[in-house]
Amino acid sequence: QKEVEQNSGPLSVPEGAIASLNCTYSDRGSQSFFWYRQYSGKSPELIMFIYSNGDKEDGRFTAQLNKASQYVSLLIRDSQPSDSATYLCAVKSNYQLIWGAGTKLIIKP
Amino acid sequence: GAVVSQHPSWVICKSGTSVKIECRSLDFQATTMFWYRQFPKQSLMLMATSNEGSKATYEQGVEKDKFLINHASLTLSTLTVTSAHPEDSSFYICSARGGGRGIYNEQFFGPGTRLTVL
Repeated sequence: QKEVEQNSGPLSVPEGAIASLNCTYSDRGSQSFFWYRQYSGKSPELIMFIYSNGDKEDGRFTAQLNKASQYVSLLIRDSQPSDSATYLCAVKSNYQLIWGAGTKLIIKP
Repeated sequence: GAVVSQHPSWVICKSGTSVKIECRSLDFQATTMFWYRQFPKQSLMLMATSNEGSKATYEQGVEKDKFLINHASLTLSTLTVTSAHPEDSSFYICSARGGGRGIYNEQFFGPGTRLTVL
C-alpha cells in the first residue's frame, strides 16, 4: 500500500514567520512531488512541484526534497493570513497521484 | 494556461434523480481526466480515472453503475450520479492532465461541484 503521510495540524504560525510543512512517502520509486493549496470550500490549486533532490524556490515558497529519507517539505516565508489553508502533498507513483490527507495551516495576524 | 472548468458549480436535487457534472479543459487537450470526491473536513478521494475514448478505471469501492463517466473528447468528461441519495452529497472535483512532457503533464483541478441531495 503506497502511502503519503502528513500531520493533519492545525499548524499555527505567526504572521511574518516561516511556515514549515512536511510530508513523507512510502514508495521509494516515486519521481514527482507536488504541493497543492486548498482553501475551504474550493478545489486544490497546484503551487509547487519538484522532481530532483534539493531545494526549489518560487517566490515565498520553497519545496525541499530528500529522496533518501523519503520526505518532501514546503517552506512558506513571510507567512501571510491569506496563506491560511490546507496544504496537500501529492506523490506521483506509477502515473498515479497518491495524496496525503493535508495539513491545515493557520497564520495568526 | 491549464484552465479546467466544471459545470454546474453547485446543484441541489431530489433523492432518486440523476445529476450530470461536466468537466472541460479550456486551453489544453486532456488525455486523462480524474474524478474526485471530498466529504467535509476529509481529504480528496479518487473515484475514477478516464482516458479519452476508453472506459474509465474505477477505484475500489466506487460503483461504476452509479457513477457513470464518459470521456468522449480530449476536452470534455462527464460524471453522472445516477439515482442520487443523500449520502452522495459531497464536493465533486475533476482534474485534467495533458500528454507529453512538462507542466501540462500534471493534474490541474476544476473548481468543483457541490452536490446536495435532499
